[in-house]
Amino acid sequence: AIQMTQSPSSLSASVGDRVTITCRASQDIGNDLGWYQQKPGKAPKLLIYIVSTLQSGVPSRFSGSGSGTDFTLTISSLQPEDFATYYCLQNYNYPKTFGQGTKVEIK
Amino acid sequence: EVQLVESGGGLVQPGGSLRLSCAVSEFTSTRYWMSWVRQAPGKGLEWVANIKLDGSQRNYLDSVKDRFTISRDNAQTSVYLQMNNLRAEDTAVYYCARVTLFSGDFDFWGQGTLVTVSS
Repeated sequence: AIQMTQSPSSLSASVGDRVTITCRASQDIGNDLGWYQQKPGKAPKLLIYIVSTLQSGVPSRFSGSGSGTDFTLTISSLQPEDFATYYCLQNYNYPKTFGQGTKVEIK
Repeated sequence: EVQLVESGGGLVQPGGSLRLSCAVSEFTSTRYWMSWVRQAPGKGLEWVANIKLDGSQRNYLDSVKDRFTISRDNAQTSVYLQMNNLRAEDTAVYYCARVTLFSGDFDFWGQGTLVTVSS
């Protein structure tokens, strides 16, 4: 199975900060990568698919980049509602695998 | 708007069985795939299985193959996960999710149903 490694596992940031989360795949996955946001007790929410395409309704402060094995989720100006856990997901082959998550906490 | 509503979770002893259901609204195209994704308490997300709504294709996580079966009804209004020979490590919230037509990502999710395997 393809292993997805996110870093950092957690971070503390302030409102207005620029935040970057990285995801590394154990093999080339092309552009078959998505990003999800999950708040406590809630289902995950799709933010970005195919590396950089913003899901409908997602604010433009979220962006994604990368290809092959290295990918990045960037929040340009962190808002109070962005404090959550973020996961990457590879859709290149089965089993689909998620990163272990990055928890974004208030500084 | 698309709505997914799971049911069927609960407490079961090791070796027991449960059947989860996911009621699907607003779309019935057989081009769609549906998945089950689980999350153990305090842990990350894990994809479990998926099915194309025409019933032609299914895929499973290795650790549940031969124990879990994903299926759908003929009207494509419900998706099921039959779970047999349950183990403590199957304890999790199970989410039903729709796969987008553009990528393999999950664009709509249910609220989740908790499965607890314990004696």
